[in-house]
Amino acid sequence: GAGVSQSPRYKVAKRGQDVALRCDPISGHVSLFWYQQALGQGPEFLTYFQNEAQLDKSGLPSDRFFAERPEGSVSTLKIQRTQQEDSAVYLCASSLQIGLAGGQVTGELFFGEGSRLTVL
Amino acid sequence: SQQGEEDPQALSIQEGENATMNCSYKTSINNLQWYRQNSGRGLVHLILIRSNEREKHSGRLRVTLDTSKKSSSLLITASRAADTASYFCAIANSKLTFGKGITLSVRP
Repeated sequence: GAGVSQSPRYKVAKRGQDVALRCDPISGHVSLFWYQQALGQGPEFLTYFQNEAQLDKSGLPSDRFFAERPEGSVSTLKIQRTQQEDSAVYLCASSLQIGLAGGQVTGELFFGEGSRLTVL
Repeated sequence: SQQGEEDPQALSIQEGENATMNCSYKTSINNLQWYRQNSGRGLVHLILIRSNEREKHSGRLRVTLDTSKKSSSLLITASRAADTASYFCAIANSKLTFGKGITLSVRP
């Protein structure tokens, strides 16, 4: 497709369940980002990939959150033993441009529509 | 915190008026970006201004950047009802960090 695709769009999980959220970035985009957006708030950075390398995972809230991008294209965000506070929209974004001087964000990000997770 | 802080939190104007939104930040930046988000949708990039630029235009959008004051402003001229959305500034260095956003309502 032409844009960033995320699935599922909506996910309802019972507390304690594991969930996996998928992101298909724009073809050829090197950089991939995951964000968490609570209702009425701005997106909060979770993690960043450059190709298959996870360069920054400082925003992951706990060790229950895990992200991978094994072939440098599709990425999966996995949340284990979900809790109610994990309820949020999870946004994926990709970018063609990478910095020339060590991982600076130099271009615009293209966002998917998000995956809305509700934990009961 | 690296994130930008937008001001005001909410803005309500009449169609045809101009809307001015401000963003302040605390760290060094490579560039500063503005995004728009309609309810229930993803973010859409509006405009990017680099740290060595002072002003940039794109259609009805005008963005300024003052690195000495660590602040930016986004001006939307001749607003339309369709401009109603949330607007976010984002600070770009080793990652892209968003503020909490401004809710803009344009009354027809």
